[in-house]
Amino acid sequence: EVHLVESGEGLVQPGGSLKLSCAASGFTFSSYAIYWVRQAPGKGLEYVSGISNDGGVTSYADSVKGRFTISRDNSKNTVYLQMGSLRADDMAVYYCVRGQGWNGAGTYFDSWGQGTLVTVSS
Amino acid sequence: DIQMTQSPATLSASEGDRVTITCRASQSISSWLAWYQQKPGKAPKLLIYKASTLESGVPSRFSGSGSGTEFTLTISSLQPDDFATYYCQQYNSYSRTFGQGTRVEIK
Repeated sequence: EVHLVESGEGLVQPGGSLKLSCAASGFTFSSYAIYWVRQAPGKGLEYVSGISNDGGVTSYADSVKGRFTISRDNSKNTVYLQMGSLRADDMAVYYCVRGQGWNGAGTYFDSWGQGTLVTVSS
Repeated sequence: DIQMTQSPATLSASEGDRVTITCRASQSISSWLAWYQQKPGKAPKLLIYKASTLESGVPSRFSGSGSGTEFTLTISSLQPDDFATYYCQQYNSYSRTFGQGTRVEIK
């Protein structure tokens, strides 16, 4: 069974930094792209960032480009999201998700972690 | 970026009702569309991908159709477990945008 477990939840001041981790199990981690999707309180879903199976290709939403960095360690079956210059509108539950169905441009998300809450407040 | 618009925003229905949710894309996305179900406090769950392919384990009362810019998710006979929020998502482009969600509530 696929398991994605996020960690790194925390309260950070505006302008601060936080690093999230996503530990994966139950599948061949190095064969899949992994993504982060977030959901602000009471709001909808927003794609944040993604990384290819070998780490060679990364993508970011315009809203986080230049502030967030995604990386992965296939020896540890873990993906990371380093978040910097955090703003109030970055406050959300961050989900780690597995990508599926690569069509040359995008993927859908077939497995989701339980999410980890990032709170940005002074 | 491709914009995804769902309608209605909220839908009130009774158990046993046939329910249809619409998702429109701002430009053609072929059949690169997925549907998700989310219950309060839980992660979303994949229901349908490539517009009409049912994910393994998803009840057959769920179905998807459409291509190009207009898509529908249909629940043939609403069950108590189906009261939730539903999201569409396009994966035709790197932006991978979601619709704003449709909340299905008890009438």
